[in-house]
Amino acid sequence: GQQVMQIPQYQHVQEGEDFTTYCNSSTTLSNIQWYKQRPGGHPVFLIQLVKSGEVKKQKRLTFQFGEAKKNSSLHITATQTTDVGTYFCAGNDMRFGAGTRLTVKP
Amino acid sequence: AAGVIQSPRHLIKEKRETATLKCYPIPRHDTVYWYQQGPGQDPQFLISFYEKMQSDKGSIPDRFSAQQFSDYHSELNMSSLELGDSALYFCASSSYDGGMNTEAFFGQGTRLTVV
Repeated sequence: GQQVMQIPQYQHVQEGEDFTTYCNSSTTLSNIQWYKQRPGGHPVFLIQLVKSGEVKKQKRLTFQFGEAKKNSSLHITATQTTDVGTYFCAGNDMRFGAGTRLTVKP
Repeated sequence: AAGVIQSPRHLIKEKRETATLKCYPIPRHDTVYWYQQGPGQDPQFLISFYEKMQSDKGSIPDRFSAQQFSDYHSELNMSSLELGDSALYFCASSSYDGGMNTEAFFGQGTRLTVV
């Protein structure tokens, strides 16, 4: 499978601060998907990136796919308490990275 | 809209017993995935099916087996249960389109407790 690694494992921010999580692969990915899992919930699809260098935005969330298609990032601007959860990336083989757990202090 | 349905939602079994978890994918989805998620852990990929055939195999123990039926629902059979099998088991479904998987929709999960 296409092993993806995520950093950081945990991130604690003050509400209003920005947050970024990174996903890295040793092999070229055909695509990458990002999911969010709230505490006690199930993973929910956020976005899929396919093209080299692709950038997609969803309100305060910005997703990037690296030029070499080996890394990706999710950036949240001005975090809110509703952003709390664990953010996972997955390659086309649907194997999840370890996730980044985000906590937001009001 | 119909979502992925998993049953049962909760299951308590004793060690060495067997358990069967069921998953009903979103209509017209041709791919099903199974995951195991322990407390504080990321979802571990177990196995997947595409068009009723096993398409990929992850860290599924030999004591577990799964299949996808003609109506596309899937079942995960777990035998000789161990305490360490206690976890949340997710099923997800997606479509395979243009050589890649589209977004996966997850069920609510089955929480298995082995005592």
